Amino acid sequence: KNQVEQSPQSLIILEGKNCTLQCNYTVSPFSNLRWYKQDTGRGPVSLTIMTFSENTKSNGRYTATLDADTKQSSLHITASQLSDSASYICVVSDNYGQNFVFGPGTRLSVLP
Amino acid sequence: NAGVMQNPRHLVRRRGQEARLRCSPMKGHSHVYWYRQLPEEGLKFMVYLQKENIIDESGMPKERFSAEFPKEGPSILRIQQVVRGDSAAYFCASSPAGATYEQYFGPGTRLTVT
Repeated sequence: KNQVEQSPQSLIILEGKNCTLQCNYTVSPFSNLRWYKQDTGRGPVSLTIMTFSENTKSNGRYTATLDADTKQSSLHITASQLSDSASYICVVSDNYGQNFVFGPGTRLSVLP
Repeated sequence: NAGVMQNPRHLVRRRGQEARLRCSPMKGHSHVYWYRQLPEEGLKFMVYLQKENIIDESGMPKERFSAEFPKEGPSILRIQQVVRGDSAAYFCASSPAGATYEQYFGPGTRLTVT
């Protein structure tokens, strides 16, 4: 069964600190993996997208990594800001990107 | 360039009434996806449509729920005879043809069934 798991379920850090969120998947065949940020009460916004051949991709203070062999991805946030408080969702696509499996998300809280 | 539009943003219905949720995709996008998010839970895929076609409705409940994306006008998600368990946020996303992984989400419609 195609599944996407994320850890931790929730995370609290102090402003300015770094953190890493994890995503493990069993989706096959793999097409691409995306990280979304969802602010409370808003729709998700794409942060990064990676295909099979990409190991890392950055978007400002966000850096995503992908290990297609172990089927793991991570999202690293550098120098966190209060506005980083949100849910971060990992989404994996199979079948040439037409089927999507959403992870449950990691809820990040950045405190002053 | 307007993003994905959804309306209404908030909808309150009594049990047994019908709910109609609308989604206007981004300009140039011909693919629409509907997702449901229950409180404190992740997004769950419901249906994937192109203009006048349902491509994948594997996530749609078998009864009371239907979706359409007509040649003209917005995509509509229709829930008949709503029950309290239908209370959730419903998100629409759109993508261009040939790039279904490039999904852009709307702000969502929050349905409350009383």
